[in-house]
Amino acid sequence: KQEVTQIPAALSVPEGENLVLNCSFTDSAIYNLQWFRQDPGKGLTSLLLIQSSQREQTSGRLNASLDKSSGRSTLYIAASQPGDSATYLCAAGKADSWGKLQFGAGTQVVVTP
Amino acid sequence: NAGVMQNPRHLVRRRGQEARLRCSPMKGHSHVYWYRQLPEEGLKFMVYLQKENIIDESGMPKERFSAEFPKEGPSILRIQQVVRGDSAAYFCASSPNGRYEQYFGPGTRLTVT
Repeated sequence: KQEVTQIPAALSVPEGENLVLNCSFTDSAIYNLQWFRQDPGKGLTSLLLIQSSQREQTSGRLNASLDKSSGRSTLYIAASQPGDSATYLCAAGKADSWGKLQFGAGTQVVVTP
Repeated sequence: NAGVMQNPRHLVRRRGQEARLRCSPMKGHSHVYWYRQLPEEGLKFMVYLQKENIIDESGMPKERFSAEFPKEGPSILRIQQVVRGDSAAYFCASSPNGRYEQYFGPGTRLTVT
């Protein structure tokens, strides 16, 4: 059974610092890994999608890496801003159950001005 | 291109009533997924549907819950005889196919009194 873990559960950094968010998964047979952002009381915004054949994806200040052999993905957010404050979720799509994303519990990020 | 739409955004039901949650996928998307986020818990997969077909319902509670995605119209998640434990945020997502990026709606927050 796929289990997805996110560490740390919460993170507070001053504005301008880089953020490093970790996601680990127990079953390396995934077809993709997706990072989301969730603001309080709101839905999920997709940030980056990494296919299983890829090592990383970048979008603006965001960069996500994927290492299937070690069961890890890392989301880097450069030069954090107060607007980056949110909960960040990673979700793994397992190869033998298309469409079913397994979510981590999330990392709650606070960026202080 | 409008995003995934869900209605109602908030729904209050008394114990024993029925709840109907609607989801309209993004234009061109024929795959729909439902997830539930219980208070203080992570997102859990419920069901994956294509037009007129249930692909994976491994996350659906065995009783009282059903889902459909008819040929015409939105996908419906139906909860019969609601109980307090059904209070949660229900999110719908859509994608062009089962291996692509999933796009989430704003969610329906169900409160059972």
